[in-house]
Amino acid sequence: QQQVKQSPQSLIVQKGGISIINCAYENTAFDYFPWYQQFPGKGPALLIAIRPDVSEKKEGRFTISFNKSAKQFSLHIMDSQPGDSATYFCAARISGSARQLTFGSGTQLTVLP
Amino acid sequence: DAGVTQSPTHLIKTRGQQVTLRCSPKSGHDTVSWYQQALGQGPQFIFQYYEEEERQRGNFPDRFSGHQFPNYSSELNVNALLLGDSALYLCASTIQGFSNSPLHFGNGTRLTVT
Repeated sequence: QQQVKQSPQSLIVQKGGISIINCAYENTAFDYFPWYQQFPGKGPALLIAIRPDVSEKKEGRFTISFNKSAKQFSLHIMDSQPGDSATYFCAARISGSARQLTFGSGTQLTVLP
Repeated sequence: DAGVTQSPTHLIKTRGQQVTLRCSPKSGHDTVSWYQQALGQGPQFIFQYYEEEERQRGNFPDRFSGHQFPNYSSELNVNALLLGDSALYLCASTIQGFSNSPLHFGNGTRLTVT
């Protein structure tokens, strides 16, 4: 019940295209859903986050869509750029768990020039 | 403003040895968490320290222990190293009193156990 399942494992997109990464969860106690971006040799960096009381959040080219009834959320990267090539992780946090995040297994995104 | 800093960046140890990894949190942060990231996997929560006490622990054996100092910096200790302990160890910091304070990660320590 603690798992967050992420797909696809890898994704190749042409420059200017839309990248879509999906995550699903079972535990309804999760109340915070961040997405992290990780470049080789670096730690994960927070990209965007959402709480279950909203269905969508947009920051620049990055949008989270959240479906509470289906227990699914997704990251959309619009106008994908080669500089977006990285590994993306979805995560979830249980209410009151003092910042403990449960991460998905990651999606390696490659944006071709 | 310095972010989360970790040392060393790389470390090679032999099976059965002990290792200590160090972390300085982002300026203004008082809470430190440690995560283990195996190759090709997402980070897994080890434990969290606040006010020099372990507040929460993930599913890791007692061989993994930690400490937080009065200046909020932290150490992760792993005893009796196993080959399976080879991973990237990430430190993350945040502010305990603000629920919207996100986790900021360091660049990690790459531990190789031979």
